[in-house]
Amino acid sequence: QSALTQPASVSGSPGQSITISCTGTSSDVGGYNHVSWYQQYPGKAPKLTIYEVTNRPSGVPDRFSGSKSGNTASLTISGLQAEDEADYYCSSYKTTNTVVFGGGTKLTVL
Amino acid sequence: EVQLLESGGGLVQPGGSLRLSCAASGFSFSSYGLTWVRQAPGKGLEWVSGLSGSGGRTYYADSVKGRFTISRDNSKNTLYLQMNSLRAEDTAVYYCAKDQFGCTATSCYEGTPYYLGSWGQGTLVIVSS
Repeated sequence: QSALTQPASVSGSPGQSITISCTGTSSDVGGYNHVSWYQQYPGKAPKLTIYEVTNRPSGVPDRFSGSKSGNTASLTISGLQAEDEADYYCSSYKTTNTVVFGGGTKLTVL
Repeated sequence: EVQLLESGGGLVQPGGSLRLSCAASGFSFSSYGLTWVRQAPGKGLEWVSGLSGSGGRTYYADSVKGRFTISRDNSKNTLYLQMNSLRAEDTAVYYCAKDQFGCTATSCYEGTPYYLGSWGQGTLVIVSS
């Protein structure tokens, strides 16, 4: 089960916006709207940040937004804050009734 | 408050077995699908296995199929992962996670959970001689 493709790292200054891409295939990202994003701090468990491509769970700031076009999903963080520095993982349901994660992206706030 | 507490990790020799447990509280355990996800040291997340909301259907990654078994005991509010024929590449922190959405009054999603709304703190499994 090949992982979804994410950039290894992205960076931005406080107040700026960044976007993390997540590329899959028609069997996962492109075939379903079951895309989610997770934020993970070092040594901590992941936290659901976006689900169903665009939805935020209760408590997640509206600075976080998601989108999808074809086989690629994206996570955008606007008004970047120091506390956003973390690893971010995308995830998608697959036709095989399994789940696949992306390789993860390390976000650095400069 | 939802709480998930994994246990059972440790050092095991290649070819050995281990059973992980995940004790749950703060939600209606029997109404939610559950999942195991692992993370090798310094690596990304890897989906391992899922259990449907009703508990009737199980799903596995190819890398563990035939070696791992996911199960639940609703009377104990506990999720399990029985791991046999362990390999060095199974070394990882193992997280249990709960579906963001549970069964409704009239139906239960029978697929594998794909929105993992709550996670445990993880338990470390090291496979080494």
